Amino acid sequence: KAGVTQTPRYLIKTRGQQVTLSCSPISGHRSVSWYQQTPGQGLQFLFEYFSETQRNKGNFPGRFSGRQFSNSRSEMNVSTLELGDSALYLCASSLPGASTDTQYFGPGTRLTVL
Amino acid sequence: SQQGEEDPQALSIQEGENATMNCSYKTSINNLQWYRQNSGRGLVHLILIRSNEREKHSGRLRVTLDTSKKSSSLLITASRAADTASYFCATDPTGANSKLTFGKGITLSVRP
Repeated sequence: KAGVTQTPRYLIKTRGQQVTLSCSPISGHRSVSWYQQTPGQGLQFLFEYFSETQRNKGNFPGRFSGRQFSNSRSEMNVSTLELGDSALYLCASSLPGASTDTQYFGPGTRLTVL
Repeated sequence: SQQGEEDPQALSIQEGENATMNCSYKTSINNLQWYRQNSGRGLVHLILIRSNEREKHSGRLRVTLDTSKKSSSLLITASRAADTASYFCATDPTGANSKLTFGKGITLSVRP
């Protein structure tokens, strides 16, 4: 089976812009979670989608949003980018109904905000 | 806030030696997992241990869980240069709407 894919792999944006990141889970996985990783804060949970519904949400401002499509692919959007949004954004998928079980991670999208 | 706290933050050993990494957590859990990350790439799942298990093995990996002390350890035996990576523990807290919570990680360097 193909693994989790994320596009794009690298992005450079300026403050105030918005960005959309995409994630395709492993075939058959219906749960998709997003994480932000920074050197200072480590890995922080953003949100989780299951069957096109947001099932769980971390402590991030409303500028961070996401959605999931009927084919389980997911996108996350960050509006009004700030310098502190520079991070590695990781997407992970898991088997149906087991979002806190083994997570399969994609390679990440490295976002740099200038 | 981080649920899992790994210890030490960094570890440097010689190839062939064993590496032991520890994780402590604060609340009751359903399971605890260990992941590896190579140089800013995606995380790779290593092993999952459930709250009713005390020890688990997978190849050169051995994980223990002590729920009374709220701690876990990951032992990598006969380390190799390819084991150089960051290692994270992640806990699945009990309760509704639980989500995996990761520690800040341990940087392991294995010198050839």
